[in-house]
Parts: sequence; structure tokens; C-alpha cells
Amino acid sequence: DAEITQSPRHKITETGRQVTLACHQTWNHNNMFWYRQDLGHGLRLIHYSYGVQDTNKGEVSDGYSVSRSNTEDLPLTLESAASSQTSVYFCASSEGQGGRYEQYFGPGTRLTVT
Amino acid sequence: TQLLEQSPQFLSIQEGENLTVYCNSSSVFSSLQWYRQEPGEGPVLLVTVVTGGEVKKLKRLTFQFGDARKDSSLHITAAQPGDTGLYLCAGSQGGSEKLVFGKGTKLTVNP
Repeated sequence: DAEITQSPRHKITETGRQVTLACHQTWNHNNMFWYRQDLGHGLRLIHYSYGVQDTNKGEVSDGYSVSRSNTEDLPLTLESAASSQTSVYFCASSEGQGGRYEQYFGPGTRLTVT
Repeated sequence: TQLLEQSPQFLSIQEGENLTVYCNSSSVFSSLQWYRQEPGEGPVLLVTVVTGGEVKKLKRLTFQFGDARKDSSLHITAAQPGDTGLYLCAGSQGGSEKLVFGKGTKLTVNP
């Protein structure tokens, strides 16, 4: 069965360190998204990609970067981790165009920056 | 500024009661989706509505998209403990694949 996976599921890191969160999907979807979820803010879009070599900034992209070298993977990198980036991170993917397609979410990565 | 406002933020009810959750905006959306999220998991799609005035039913859940495509509601009839979770509305503007999410309604159904 197709799926979307994230790793690690939990991560503790120190302020200033570079951290990369992995996202891998086997749906063969062109569209991939990274969100962060915080109490009181809901899900906020960090970066997204509509295909290989395409990346775009979302509403909370400062301090984060992504790259898309193949269809299956969209790793999220925190250049220099800050305590404000402590959050739960979700990756999602969807097919097609037109804004009507379901986004399939991974199980999330809980990141703690100390 | 929150593009999609959900209310109430928290709702605690007894099994068998009915409830309605609202998702409102001053902006027009080309489509509106409702997701449910359980603790420790990612959101899962419940329904997509795309036409103003559209009503969709999923067993005991009824979803409505406002005529002007600026708001939506989710009504649950005879709630069960299995309905407990975080309900999120999400909208797409101009046919974009990007979704804007509301902050969610945390529903607890007590047995």
C-alpha cells in the first residue's frame, strides 16, 4: 500500500545545530508540503513543492529550507535550530491540480530544541 | 490574521448529543475540506466541498458549504466517543493546491 513516512518521529537538538527531517511518499504524488503544528496556531505551511526541482515558500518559511531532487522525497532542513522551532512537523502530499485533492499526511515529527 | 476562523475551539459533550462546528472567513474559497486528527497522528480527510450551497453526508456527519463559499459547517448527530478528535477545516483559494487551515475544534465526547 502507498504511504507517506516521516523520520525521525522524535528529535531533541540543541540551539544552533542544523537539523534535517525526512519525508518519503510512495503515492507518486507531484505535490508535497511541510507544515508545523503549534497550540493556538493550527497547521501552518512552511514550504511546498509541485514537482522535482520546484520549491516554494509558505507563510512561515524563515529559518527553513527544502530541496526536491526526486518525486518521493522532500527533506526539511532547519539551518540553525532555534527554540521557537520546537513544534510538531507534518509532511503531506497530494496529486493533481485544482485545489480539490486530498492531502495525505505523515505521522509527524516532534522536534524539541533546547 | 487567521483566514479561516473555527468555532468553538473546544467542545465537550455527552454521548448521544448533537453538535455543530463552524468554519468562517471573509474570503472566498474554491473548495473547502474537513479533516479529523487524532492524538499522535496526522490529519485524515473527511470530506471536500466545492460548490456553494453543497451539502454532503457521511453517516452521522453532515457538511455544508455556504452559498457564497466563505463558510462551512460540520454537524454531528448522536455523537459517539469515537468521534473524539481535532476537527480542522482547510480551504483552497483560486484552485491552488495550497491549503489554509483553521486552528481546529477539539471535540471530546464523553461516554
